[in-house]
Amino acid sequence: KAGVTQTPRYLIKTRGQQVTLSCSPISGHRSVSWYQQTPGQGLQFLFEYFSETQRNKGNFPGRFSGRQFSNSRSEMNVSTLELGDSALYLCASNWNTVEGESYEQYFGPGTRLTVT
Amino acid sequence: ELKVEQNPLFLSMQEGKNYTIYCNYSTTSDRLYWYRQDPGKSLESLFVLLSNGAVKQEGRLMASLDTKARLSTLHITAAVHDLSATYFCAVDPGTYKYIFGTGTRLKVLA
Repeated sequence: KAGVTQTPRYLIKTRGQQVTLSCSPISGHRSVSWYQQTPGQGLQFLFEYFSETQRNKGNFPGRFSGRQFSNSRSEMNVSTLELGDSALYLCASNWNTVEGESYEQYFGPGTRLTVT
Repeated sequence: ELKVEQNPLFLSMQEGKNYTIYCNYSTTSDRLYWYRQDPGKSLESLFVLLSNGAVKQEGRLMASLDTKARLSTLHITAAVHDLSATYFCAVDPGTYKYIFGTGTRLKVLA
């Protein structure tokens, strides 16, 4: 069974530009979460989607947005990039379909974004 | 706001020694996960702990959960170099939002 895939793996952008990252979950997984990882702030939750609905979001500015498609694939977008947005962006998927249940997350390889 | 703290942040240990990494969290939850991350790599799931008193073991690693104390431990027995990595705990408070600890960077010296 294929794992979580993320594209692109590496990206270099200039301040002020926007970027879209893509995540394809494990087949059958309908929950997709996004995280930002930086040396200073660690792993921070961005948002979680299930059946095209955002169920929770972290404390990030509105420049960070996401969506999920009917096939469970997800994208996140960052507009007006800042230097501080340089990070490893990780996507994770799981089986979570029932409120109150908890399942381990499977992480993709990440997208390394560098903003210059 | 839920906070998850790990200690120590850095751990350098000799091969063959035992040590424990601690994960404290600030709110009620009986769902906790441990992950491993190698440099430049993604996160690999190690343990899933879903109830008070849960104990899981895999090789030289053993994880436990005490929900009353809001504490999980990751115990390393007879460390080997291959265990060198960063270890994260993550708490699921039931809001579809997993909160990760600060991470413990482990270096096992030959």
